[in-house]
Amino acid sequence: GIQVEQSPPDLILQEGANSTLRCNFSDSVNNLQWFHQNPWGQLINLFYIPSGTKQNGRLSATTVATERYSLLYISSSQTTDSGVYFCAVERRNSGYSTLTFGKGTMLLVSP
Amino acid sequence: KAGVTQTPRYLIKTRGQQVTLSCSPISGHRSVSWYQQTPGQGLQFLFEYFSETQRNKGNFPGRFSGRQFSNSRSEMNVSTLELGDSALYLCASSLGPGQDWAEQYFGPGTRLTVT
Repeated sequence: GIQVEQSPPDLILQEGANSTLRCNFSDSVNNLQWFHQNPWGQLINLFYIPSGTKQNGRLSATTVATERYSLLYISSSQTTDSGVYFCAVERRNSGYSTLTFGKGTMLLVSP
Repeated sequence: KAGVTQTPRYLIKTRGQQVTLSCSPISGHRSVSWYQQTPGQGLQFLFEYFSETQRNKGNFPGRFSGRQFSNSRSEMNVSTLELGDSALYLCASSLGPGQDWAEQYFGPGTRLTVT
């Protein structure tokens, strides 16, 4: 099946710093989504971004489907940004879709 | 619009017992998917239901089953619980097959502990 690799696995930042999280995938995909999992386990949708660039406040994401990677940018990080960031890719095969997650990047933003 | 809801939020069961978890999707969403999250294996797809039919199933034993009702609400059942079934079980809903299937919205999860 498709492999989804996220880097770095862990990241510690001071409040106010910027960061870039990367998601590489091993095959072509139909869609890609970024999630933030808060300390209580809730997965929150950040971006639905099969290709191109999107921005939402301090966060932005870019997917270059032809080169099989996506980047999530966090600017001016805040302590509430702490948690695990997951990238998930959709593959369609024989009429069925599967969503495959990476192992995540654990982000800790300290005050 | 209300989000995806899951009940119960926490559950403690003993090995050998069975458990049923419930998921109510976002209004208008007809596809419900279930995922298991563990520290070792990460997030893994269990199965997906659409229009009361299981459309897709992940690589899990037959002890894991599910169903979907006509109002799109879904339940999953795990029989003969094992210690390794301890996990966070997440439910996600989306509009349905097609372009928007992958835009999934997750519930808060049910944390199951098997002792």
